[in-house]
Amino acid sequence: NAGVTQTPKFRVLKTGQSMTLLCAQDMNHEYMYWYRQDPGMGLRLIHYSVGEGTTAKGEVPDGYNVSRLKKQNFLLGLESAAPSQTSVYFCASSRQGGVSNQPQHFGDGTRLSIL
Amino acid sequence: QKEVEQDPGPLSVPEGAIVSLNCTYSNSAFQYFMWYRQYSRKGPELLMYTYSSGNKEDGRFTAQVDKSSKYISLFIRDSQPSDSATYLCAMRANTGNQFYFGTGTSLTVIP
Repeated sequence: NAGVTQTPKFRVLKTGQSMTLLCAQDMNHEYMYWYRQDPGMGLRLIHYSVGEGTTAKGEVPDGYNVSRLKKQNFLLGLESAAPSQTSVYFCASSRQGGVSNQPQHFGDGTRLSIL
Repeated sequence: QKEVEQDPGPLSVPEGAIVSLNCTYSNSAFQYFMWYRQYSRKGPELLMYTYSSGNKEDGRFTAQVDKSSKYISLFIRDSQPSDSATYLCAMRANTGNQFYFGTGTSLTVIP
């Protein structure tokens, strides 16, 4: 039972390069989320999905795109990486909205540096 | 002004001490309140949640919500070195899917 798995764990990119972060969950959760965590800023929601084939913008969506083609996977894409996107990215999933008996389960993060 | 304010610390206490962690918020629509624990280089894990005002206790942990003051607290009794981590508060309104997180308080419990 892996829970939420993020791939890769670390990555260094040059400005302008593109990449995709993968999040996979094996709990059959409907909701999935992408956050970024920066010092002094806390966790900020980038995009989220309430089900397969759906996506929605969060607090800081600019410069990112997402796709939820399969229920268990949620992809975060950076089309043209910028140094301001250097951060730790966390994926989370939950059965519903993430409270009560449906807490958000987080992965262990992807550490991304943009040079 | 941030939606959620949390003192980043760091906070250092001796083993066995009572720890008090706090967050304030500005949005009166927040109804769900959560505390997460995050160990170094790991993802946050849910510790406690409460709905609206009141107290909730789970073992050594007690969560309090005072909606009139827009203030939430997490108390840790008989603190242990294994409690050393960053503690994040989070909250959400009744409607919508967005959670708002505090910046986290770093806690070290010294044996």
